[in-house]
Amino acid sequence: DAGVIQSPRHEVTEMGQEVTLRCKPISGHNSLFWYRQTMMRGLELLIYFNNNVPIDDSGMPEDRFSAKMPNASFSTLKIQPSEPRDSAVYFCASSAYGTSGRASYEQYFGPGTRLTVT
Amino acid sequence: GQNIDQPTEMTATEGAIVQINCTYQTSGFNGLFWYQQHAGEAPTFLSYNVLDGLEEKGRFSSFLSRSKGYSYLLLKELQMKDSASYLCAVNDGGANNLFFGTGTRLTVIP
Repeated sequence: DAGVIQSPRHEVTEMGQEVTLRCKPISGHNSLFWYRQTMMRGLELLIYFNNNVPIDDSGMPEDRFSAKMPNASFSTLKIQPSEPRDSAVYFCASSAYGTSGRASYEQYFGPGTRLTVT
Repeated sequence: GQNIDQPTEMTATEGAIVQINCTYQTSGFNGLFWYQQHAGEAPTFLSYNVLDGLEEKGRFSSFLSRSKGYSYLLLKELQMKDSASYLCAVNDGGANNLFFGTGTRLTVIP
C-alpha cells in the first residue's frame, strides 16, 4: 500500500491567498483526520470524518478554514484567506474505524504539508 | 476536557535506558498509543496498551496503569537514531479520535 498521500509537500504563499491541501487516505480506511502541528501548540486535531461525514470540526480555528471529503479516497483542507499565523505543518491521517481493538484507533499519518504564509 | 501531560524535553546517553512518562485525565479510556516522530517527518506508531501492564517490543516497552492514569515508554540500549519526539495519545472511548500530548523531545548524546 502506498500509505497516506498528501500534496503539496511544501507550499509558500502570500497572506490573503487561498490555499488548498489534499489528502488521499489508505485504501479501505474509513476515517480521515486533519491535524496542524506547530512548535508552540504541538499536534492539534482540526477535523475528522467517518465514512466521508464530518464528525467533529471543533478544532477548526475559524471560518477561514474548511474541509471536505467528497468520496472515500479524497479530502481537501482549504484556507481562505490565509494569514501568517496559519504557517505550520498540516498532517492528514487515516484509520480503519469499525474494526476491533487497536486497528480501529491506530492512525497512519501522511508525510505532511509544510505551509508558509508570508 | 481531555488532558495529556508529558515532559517537554529529555536527554540521555547512547547505550543507556530512558523512561518517558505520560499522565492523562480523560472522560473515558479505550487505549493509549505511543508514536515516534523524527524531525521533519510524520508520526509513526510505536506501541499500544489497553490493559494494565507492560508490552514489550524489542528495545521498546510501554507500560500502562489505568487506575493511575499513567503510562511510560521505556527505551533500552539507546541509539543515536532514537533522537526524536515521542507522542502519547489516548482514545477516550467516546469516538474514534485520539487525544495527543504535546510530545517529549528526546536527544541521545554520545
